[in-house]
Amino acid sequence: DVKVTQSSRYLVKRTGEKVFLECVQDMDHENMFWYRQDPGLGLRLIYFSYDVKMKEKGDIPEGYSVSREKKERFSLILESASTNQTSMYLCASRGQGSKYEQFFGPGTRLTVL
Amino acid sequence: TQLLEQSPQFLSIQEGENLTVYCNSSSVFSSLQWYRQEPGEGPVLLVTVVTGGEVKKLKRLTFQFGDARKDSSLHITAAQPGDTGLYLCAGAYGSGYALNFGKGTSLLVTP
Repeated sequence: DVKVTQSSRYLVKRTGEKVFLECVQDMDHENMFWYRQDPGLGLRLIYFSYDVKMKEKGDIPEGYSVSREKKERFSLILESASTNQTSMYLCASRGQGSKYEQFFGPGTRLTVL
Repeated sequence: TQLLEQSPQFLSIQEGENLTVYCNSSSVFSSLQWYRQEPGEGPVLLVTVVTGGEVKKLKRLTFQFGDARKDSSLHITAAQPGDTGLYLCAGAYGSGYALNFGKGTSLLVTP
C-alpha cells in the first residue's frame, strides 16, 4: 500500500514564525502536492511538484514556498506564519501513470496564534 | 481552475436509507475520482472513472460517470453508520497534473 506520512498531526505556532511541514511518500511517486482544507472552501492546491527540484504554483501559493530536494520528500514552508494560515494541510502523491489517483497523508492541523 | 460542484452539501439520514450524491462540471473531465474523508484524516480514494457512461460498484456504493464526462454520481444503498464522512469528487481536466476538488458532501448516518 502507498504510504504518505506527514511530520506532525497537530502544530501550534505564533504569528511571524517560520513553519516547516514535511511530507514523505514511500512509493517512488513522481508527483507530490500540498493542499489546504478549510470549511466551506474545500481542498485548495497550494503547490505541486512533478520531479525533484521542480515546483509549480497552485491556486493559492501566496505566503507559501516549497522544497523538493529528494524524490520522496516534499516540504511546505510558511515564511512568516499568519493567523489566516490556520488550516488543515494535506499532502498527496501520485505516480506518473496512475490516471490522476492521488494518495493523501493524514493531514497536519496547523493553528497560528 | 475549473469549477466542480457537489450536491447536496449536507445529508443526514437514518441507517438503511438510500442516497445519491452528485458532482457536476461545465467542462469535460479526463477522469474523475471519488474520495471519502473521515474527521481528522486525509481523503481516501474510493474509485476512479475514466470512460463516459462507466458504472463501478464497490459493495453498497455505485459510481456512475456521465456519458458526456461532465458529471458523476455516487449512490449508497442501505446506508450504515460506518458510511458517515465527507465525500469528495475530484476531476482531472486535459493533461494537467493537478485535480480540482468539489467542496464535498458531508454525510451523517444515524442508527
